[in-house]
Amino acid sequence: KQEVTQIPAALSVPEGENLVLNCSFTDSAIYNLQWFRQDPGKGLTSLLLIQSSQREQTSGRLNASLDKSSGRSTLYIAASQPGDSATYLCAARFYTGANSKLTFGKGITLSVRP
Amino acid sequence: DARVTQTPRHKVTEMGQEVTMRCQPILGHNTVFWYRQTMMQGLELLAYFRNRAPLDDSGMPKDRFSAEMPDATLATLKIQPSEPRDSAVYFCASGLGWLRTGNTGELFFGEGSRLTVL
Repeated sequence: KQEVTQIPAALSVPEGENLVLNCSFTDSAIYNLQWFRQDPGKGLTSLLLIQSSQREQTSGRLNASLDKSSGRSTLYIAASQPGDSATYLCAARFYTGANSKLTFGKGITLSVRP
Repeated sequence: DARVTQTPRHKVTEMGQEVTMRCQPILGHNTVFWYRQTMMQGLELLAYFRNRAPLDDSGMPKDRFSAEMPDATLATLKIQPSEPRDSAVYFCASGLGWLRTGNTGELFFGEGSRLTVL
């Protein structure tokens, strides 16, 4: 079964800390992996998308990496700020043919303390 | 500012009533997804359309849920009759077909419709 796991479910860090959010997937045959941010009561905002042929993507203070062989992706947040507090979800698109769909992890709720 | 638009944002109804949620995908996107989010289950895929054709609705309870795309600018999710266990946030997402050369398959989500069934 193709699954995506995010551990821990919650994380609290002091402002200014560099941090890494982990995402693991059970099948290395993925087409891409997408990281999202969700604020309370809001929809999902796409942060970064990594194609299977790529190793990493960067946007501002965010860097996402992909290691298909180990079934892992990480989202690195540099110099965290209270405004980064949100739930971060990763989703993998596995190779299951033309009807492939995104499979989501349950998310990591991040709290950045001032 | 292109975005996925969902209505209603909030809906409170009584058990047994019909509920219809609507989604306007981003103009030009040819794939549309309906997801349901709960605390216990996280995000679950209910239905998936490409070029308005339903491709996968295996995650949807067929006896009470139905999903359609009457045209390229409107997707609907209907629950009839609704039950308390249907209480959740329902998200619509759209994107470009991921198999087409040059398309990344990136998905864009709406703000969701929060449904409460009493």
